[in-house]
Amino acid sequence: EADIYQTPRYLVIGTGKKITLECSQTMGHDKMYWYQQDPGMELHLIHYSYGVNSTEKGDLSSESTVSRIRTEHFPLTLESARPSHTSQYLCASSGQGAYGYTFGSGTRLTVV
Amino acid sequence: GNSVTQMEGPVTLSEEAFLTINCTYTATGYPSLFWYVQYPGEGLQLLLKATKADDKGSNKGFEATYRKETTSFHLEKGSVQVSDSAVYFCALTLMGRGSARQLTFGSGTQLTVLP
Repeated sequence: EADIYQTPRYLVIGTGKKITLECSQTMGHDKMYWYQQDPGMELHLIHYSYGVNSTEKGDLSSESTVSRIRTEHFPLTLESARPSHTSQYLCASSGQGAYGYTFGSGTRLTVV
Repeated sequence: GNSVTQMEGPVTLSEEAFLTINCTYTATGYPSLFWYVQYPGEGLQLLLKATKADDKGSNKGFEATYRKETTSFHLEKGSVQVSDSAVYFCALTLMGRGSARQLTFGSGTQLTVLP
């Protein structure tokens, strides 16, 4: 039973559209993360948050933005989607004293 | 900095074969080590972990032993099944504050098991 939820699972959208990928967790975790996963499977951290009103950019530069207004919610927004944004996006969370992360099922985004 | 190096894939095995996926790490300090598994179309799931030297993590027939002397955490399974076909990620984290708690992932190893 998943405790971290991502919607939508699949999204095909036209170039220039604004999109928001949703991520919610019910575990009360303070830390949340967004990863971009390329076709070669490697994971790239693009954003993270250590709590409400805290957001930081990750190792991989991304044109997306995030917000953390509530502990349980960490949406990712692309203001103007481009084909280069086509990828799988994975959300994860971790809590105080927890070992490792809990991942959502991912959103596979295709920009045409 | 911290890094994880995994055996490159893809790995293809026949059912009931022995599996080893190599993982070595570099870390400043004493990391906790993890193996995650990603089944097709899914997110990552924690497979097993070890938090100190000589610990053995195990789950679903998979095992890995934290070897400080060789900085390794190789994943093994004695007899693989078709249902084990997935991508496997080795990862580490350092116990501490802030960014030190972030997971560092290896590049992933694709495993395909043939019937």
